[in-house]
Amino acid sequence: DQQVKQNSPSLSVQEGRISILNCDYTNSMFDYFLWYKKYPAEGPTFLISISSIKDKNEDGRFTVFLNKSAKHLSLHIVPSQPGDSAVYFCAAVNAGGTSYGKLTFGQGTILTVHP
Amino acid sequence: ETGVTQSPTHLIKTRGQQVTLRCSSQSGHNTVSWYQQALGQGPQFIFQYYREEENGRGNFPPRFSGLQFPNYSSELNVNALELDDSALYLCASSSPGEGGYTFGSGTRLTVV
Repeated sequence: DQQVKQNSPSLSVQEGRISILNCDYTNSMFDYFLWYKKYPAEGPTFLISISSIKDKNEDGRFTVFLNKSAKHLSLHIVPSQPGDSAVYFCAAVNAGGTSYGKLTFGQGTILTVHP
Repeated sequence: ETGVTQSPTHLIKTRGQQVTLRCSSQSGHNTVSWYQQALGQGPQFIFQYYREEENGRGNFPPRFSGLQFPNYSSELNVNALELDDSALYLCASSSPGEGGYTFGSGTRLTVV
């Protein structure tokens, strides 16, 4: 039962353009969502998060959009840079519940930004 | 502010053996969660420890067990290792209501 899905295994983008990574979820109890970036042989690095009471959160080049009715979120990176090339994971959690440490991850999307 | 540290970074074990992985949580975080990441997959939740007790568990058999110590550091123990246990094991620390989940760099376990 995959409660968080990233349906695009990979994405290739030209430097300077926008990268859009998508994520869908099925569990309506999720109330907090996070995006992580991961390089090989390293742990996931936190990028940006959004609470279910918001529909947008912005931090520099990174913006996350949440559509609760569609159970869909997306991460926009503008402008994309070659250093953004990595695996991106979407994660969700019921932060108000007792298992607030239980993040449910998607399968990841490999982003490649070409110079 | 110290981050999450895990040891060892790499480990090779033989099928049937037992292994212990260690994690020091980020300063100020009182909850530790462990994850298993197989190649090409997202991390899968193993269990969570809060105040030295397990208070959440994913779909992993009892041979996966853990401990949390008074200083909030933690251990993951795996008994009777199987080949499919080969993976990257990640530790994350957090605190309720804070919204921050910080990961360590992981331990790469290979079972031969």
